[in-house]
Amino acid sequence: QQQVKQSPQSLIVQKGGIPIINCAYENTAFDYFPWYQQFPGKGPALLIAIRPDVSEKKEGRFTISFNKSAKQFSLHIMDSQPGDSATYFCAASISSGSARQLTFGSGTQLTVLP
Amino acid sequence: EPEVTQTPSHQVTQMGQEVILRCVPISNHLYFYWYRQILGQKVEFLVSFYNNEISEKSEIFDDQFSVERPDGSNFTLKIRSTKLEDSAMYFCASSGYRASLTDTQYFGPGTRLTVL
Repeated sequence: QQQVKQSPQSLIVQKGGIPIINCAYENTAFDYFPWYQQFPGKGPALLIAIRPDVSEKKEGRFTISFNKSAKQFSLHIMDSQPGDSATYFCAASISSGSARQLTFGSGTQLTVLP
Repeated sequence: EPEVTQTPSHQVTQMGQEVILRCVPISNHLYFYWYRQILGQKVEFLVSFYNNEISEKSEIFDDQFSVERPDGSNFTLKIRSTKLEDSAMYFCASSGYRASLTDTQYFGPGTRLTVL
């Protein structure tokens, strides 16, 4: 119920390609869906996020598509660059006590070849 | 740009020993979190902390774990008697002035805990 399922586990694309990472959730109480980017030796950093009442959000080369009825959302990276090579985590946020709690997907290791 | 810092970056300990992982959240943030990531697995929520008390904790956060904000800047995670399965990367995070929908959680670089 609290899980967020993410695929694929790893992804290799050529520079300029459009990698797509998919996530699915079950709990309809999740009300905010951030994506985090993690480079080796660093903590996750917020990349882009979407509310479930919006079907698409674009920030620069990063786009989230959200399908509320299917309980799925995906990250698209346009014109991918070698510097985008990192691990990407989708997450779902829920109000929990007086704070908020993030439930992460299992991560996708993206490699963009030059 | 303000950032969350964590020390040490790597901690090696013997099974049964106590460890304290330290975090300095972003100044003026009010909400504090610990997450962990076992090697090759996903990041998992451990505990949230607000107004000097635990707001929420997961089933992972059993009696062996405790958190504390001993002064105005540090936020600590203590594991009283470490087990082999506690080996993981531990991330501290903080968020700002209200636990609103869009409030970003900023993560530190993590402490890698190795229990031998």
